[in-house]
Amino acid sequence: NAGVMQNPRHLVRRRGQEARLRCSPMKGHSHVYWYRQLPEEGLKFMVYLQKENIIDESGMPKERFSAEFPKEGPSILRIQQVVRGDSAAYFCASSPRQGLRDTEAFFGQGTRLTVV
Amino acid sequence: DQQVKQNSPSLSVQEGRISILNCDYTNSMFDYFLWYKKYPAEGPTFLISISSIKDKNEDGRFTVFLNKSAKHLSLHIVPSQPGDSAVYFCAADEYDTDKLIFGTGTRLQVFP
Repeated sequence: NAGVMQNPRHLVRRRGQEARLRCSPMKGHSHVYWYRQLPEEGLKFMVYLQKENIIDESGMPKERFSAEFPKEGPSILRIQQVVRGDSAAYFCASSPRQGLRDTEAFFGQGTRLTVV
Repeated sequence: DQQVKQNSPSLSVQEGRISILNCDYTNSMFDYFLWYKKYPAEGPTFLISISSIKDKNEDGRFTVFLNKSAKHLSLHIVPSQPGDSAVYFCAADEYDTDKLIFGTGTRLQVFP
């Protein structure tokens, strides 16, 4: 949904560089979810954040990945020292309430990360 | 372990006919199910959902059926239209968790 803005849409990084993916939720949405889709797979949950808080990061790799959702500005998914296996489409979703069952929850168009 | 499975990677249906997309799950704690439609280079778009207390939910051309004893749900699209050509994902949610579990998707092609 065009209301959830992700940028960049495409990102190319060399192995070892850092990748920063941004997600601006819809107006009035304070809940943000990040998902990753590897080639030929479904979306996999990574992290759930509310403003300034990480609520559930059980899907995040333990190393190199971090996420934040500051009081002001977009949510950021940061991947340090990228490897080829990080190449994927990263989607964020926002919701006015907890959970994605809400019909007012929407996904962004995604950022396609390619590590070369 | 894949808790939500879509065993048909692709489906081809003639325009005007019924499309039936299937989804199986293993976790009996799932209590809510959703279907998403995804076009290339776009994010998933919510299509229809069903609570585990129901066995059917209908919205226009789209109907979702849930068979809890078989841990199976299906999405029916009648009549199918060329604009329905996309990848369809089934997703499941467990009460009081914050994450959807997605299947691997079924690519539907509707031809004239």
